Amino acid sequence: QQQVKQSPQSLIVQKGGISIINCAYENTAFDYFPWYQQFPGKGPALLIAIRPDVSEKKEGRFTISFNKSAKQFSLHIMDSQPGDSATYFCAASRNAGNMLTFGGGTRLMVKP
Amino acid sequence: EPEVTQTPSHQVTQMGQEVILRCVPISNHLYFYWYRQILGQKVEFLVSFYNNEISEKSEIFDDQFSVERPDGSNFTLKIRSTKLEDSAMYFCASRFMETQYFGPGTRLLVL
Repeated sequence: QQQVKQSPQSLIVQKGGISIINCAYENTAFDYFPWYQQFPGKGPALLIAIRPDVSEKKEGRFTISFNKSAKQFSLHIMDSQPGDSATYFCAASRNAGNMLTFGGGTRLMVKP
Repeated sequence: EPEVTQTPSHQVTQMGQEVILRCVPISNHLYFYWYRQILGQKVEFLVSFYNNEISEKSEIFDDQFSVERPDGSNFTLKIRSTKLEDSAMYFCASRFMETQYFGPGTRLLVL
């Protein structure tokens, strides 16, 4: 019940395209859903996060869509750029920001 | 911009040896965490630390692991007797409000 399932495992998108990564969770006690971006050899860095009281949050080219009834949330990267090529992890936590449960990760490659 | 720092960046050790991984969290952060990431796998929670004590730990964090905040700046993870399966990237994080800020990690290789 603590798992967060993420798909796809890998994604190839053309420059300028839309990248979509999906996550699903089971534990309804989760109340904070961040997305992290990780470049090779670096630690995960927070990209954008959402609380379950809103259905969408947008920051620049990055948007989280959240469906509380389906227990799913997704990351959309608009106008994807080669510099977006990285591994993306969704995560979830109870008590807003405490112990993070991570999804399995999506390796995104944006082709020029 | 303040960052979480970790030392060493790489550590190679023999099975059965003790290792200490060090972290300097962002100052004025009060919550500290250790996570690990086995090569190619997801990031896994190990332990959280607040007010000089463990607040939560995972099944991975068994008696071979311990954490300490020996002074006002450092936060350490000790593995008493390393096993081959402890080989992983270990990340320290500190939290402000909801956001956890991760360090660059220590790559531990147990031979």
